[in-house]
Amino acid sequence: SQKIEQNSEALNIQEGKTATLTCNYTNYSPAYLQWYRQDPGRGPVFLLLIRENEKEKRKERLKVTFDTTLKQSLFHITASQPADSATYLCALPYSSASKIIFGSGTRLSIRP
Amino acid sequence: DAGVIQSPRHEVTEMGQEVTLRCKPISGHDYLFWYRQTMMRGLELLIYFNNNVPIDDSGMPEDRFSAKMPNASFSTLKIQPSEPRDSAVYFCASTWAGQKIHTFGSGTRLTVV
Repeated sequence: SQKIEQNSEALNIQEGKTATLTCNYTNYSPAYLQWYRQDPGRGPVFLLLIRENEKEKRKERLKVTFDTTLKQSLFHITASQPADSATYLCALPYSSASKIIFGSGTRLSIRP
Repeated sequence: DAGVIQSPRHEVTEMGQEVTLRCKPISGHDYLFWYRQTMMRGLELLIYFNNNVPIDDSGMPEDRFSAKMPNASFSTLKIQPSEPRDSAVYFCASTWAGQKIHTFGSGTRLTVV
């Protein structure tokens, strides 16, 4: 069955450094992959979508890569700030184009 | 647009009671999703609708759970009878056919004691 894996351990990064989060998937050939951010007590908020024919996508301090051979996506936050502290979830489409499933998320903490 | 609106934000109920969670999707969105989030299982899709019709309810845990969408602007998720293991945060999300991005509500935190 399809499976999505994200770092289960929390990631603690010094402010100003680059944070890198990993999303691995198996038994899957998704046409695209998404990253969401979730703050405590809130619903996930969409950040970036990358398609299978795109190797890299950027948005301000965010960068996402998508390696369909390795079945992996990396999510980078450069010049990290304490305000970037949150849980980050990757998501992939499942069967129908409108149904997506989420990884368990990685909690990121940026210390001043 | 005010986004996806869920109510109540918090619900505490006793085991055996009926619980109804409510969702108003973004106007113009024709897909509506109900998710449940727990520490153990993460974010799970329970059911989703397209044009008010249930398309996939394979994630609904058991017959105690039911969902309806009587019109394009309103959906309910009902649990009857509720059990302590139903305690979780329930999210509603919506999107439209030409877009792949889900917009989530703020969720309902349900506690069954």
